[in-house]
Amino acid sequence: GDSVTQTEGPVTVSESESLIINCTYSATSIAYPNLFWYVRYPGEGLQLLLKVITAGQKGSSRGFEATYNKETTSFHLQKASVQESDSAVYYCALVPDTNAYKVIFGKGTHLHVLP
Amino acid sequence: ETAVFQTPNYHVTQVGNEVSFNCKQTLGHDTMYWYKQDSKKLLKIMFSYNNKQLIVNETVPRRFSPQSSDKAHLNLRIKSVEPEDSAVYLCASSHGDWGGANTGQLYFGEGSKLTVL
Repeated sequence: GDSVTQTEGPVTVSESESLIINCTYSATSIAYPNLFWYVRYPGEGLQLLLKVITAGQKGSSRGFEATYNKETTSFHLQKASVQESDSAVYYCALVPDTNAYKVIFGKGTHLHVLP
Repeated sequence: ETAVFQTPNYHVTQVGNEVSFNCKQTLGHDTMYWYKQDSKKLLKIMFSYNNKQLIVNETVPRRFSPQSSDKAHLNLRIKSVEPEDSAVYLCASSHGDWGGANTGQLYFGEGSKLTVL
């Protein structure tokens, strides 16, 4: 079935270090699903961080980047230099079928950034 | 700025009781959702409504029933709760042009945490 697998947390890094959170997907309904990263900051609701709908393209937001790799079915989230304010839970997600009103989420990765 | 409002934020109850969660969105969206986040933090879709019409109904026990009075409201009723219903229930909304530029862009509330004793 359609699913998303991402790095098990928690992940702890120090401020200014680089970060990568792995995400791989499986989509049976459609060859190239739309891919997303959502984020939940402490005390806030889950919100969209970035999305990529075309294989091979890269999305970016708030210093984070993710590239849609159809060969490895991956959509890893990266940041060159994290800040303490990046501490949050990050969810990789996909839309398996543009005719179906649903988004499939991974389990989330809790990121702690130490000052 | 929050635009999807859920009440209550927390609810503790006993097995067999009935519970209702309310959700309202002020974004003018056509589609609303309920997701369940269990103890393992997995987010699973339960229901989707588009213009008050049920369009996604995942494998959910019959004791769960969504209720939509208009496009801006989607409530969730749980009749006779079970211990496995303990979870965080997240309401979300999205533009109605699914398949267009806004595909997959959901706006979430802060969640309603249910504890069943």
